[in-house]
Amino acid sequence: NAGVTQTPKFRVLKTGQSMTLLCAQDMNHEYMYWYRQDPGMGLRLIHYSVGEGTTAKGEVPDGYNVSRLKKQNFLLGLESAAPSQTSVYFCASSYSRREQYFGPGTRLTVT
Amino acid sequence: DQQVKQNSPSLSVQEGRISILNCDYTNSMFDYFLWYKKYPAEGPTFLISISSIKDKNEDGRFTVFLNKSAKHLSLHIVPSQPGDSAVYFCAASDPGFQKLVFGTGTRLLVSP
Repeated sequence: NAGVTQTPKFRVLKTGQSMTLLCAQDMNHEYMYWYRQDPGMGLRLIHYSVGEGTTAKGEVPDGYNVSRLKKQNFLLGLESAAPSQTSVYFCASSYSRREQYFGPGTRLTVT
Repeated sequence: DQQVKQNSPSLSVQEGRISILNCDYTNSMFDYFLWYKKYPAEGPTFLISISSIKDKNEDGRFTVFLNKSAKHLSLHIVPSQPGDSAVYFCAASDPGFQKLVFGTGTRLLVSP
């Protein structure tokens, strides 16, 4: 039982490049979330999903897209990376609106 | 608009003493509150939670207190240990939404 896994762990992008972050969970959770963590800003919700095939915007959705084609996977895409998207990205999943289980994070640097 | 606030960015405590981390919220619709602990280079892990129908929940060395009239919750760690050194986030859940709102975190340093 791996819980929540994230791929990749680290990535460096040049401005304008695109990439996809993959989140996978093996707990059969309905809800999945993408957050970014920046110094002094806490955890800010980017997008979330309440079930397979659904997505919704969070607090800071601009510049990101998501897809939930399979229940166990939640993908976060950056179409044209900007330096302001340098951050640590966390994925989480939950079976309710309460306790969320987090992955180990992806550290992204955009130069 | 910051609905969940942790006004102390950091806290230093000696080993064996009590650590008290505070959190304030503005949304009276929040009905469930959680504390998460985060070590460097790791994801946050759930620590303890409390429903709005209670005013206290205890789990070993960790106790969370909720004061609904003041819209304030606190996490007490007794006794504090060096391994408790981490960033602590409080979070709140609104029954109308399938998501949590997090505070900005408090960095706790427990010195031997």
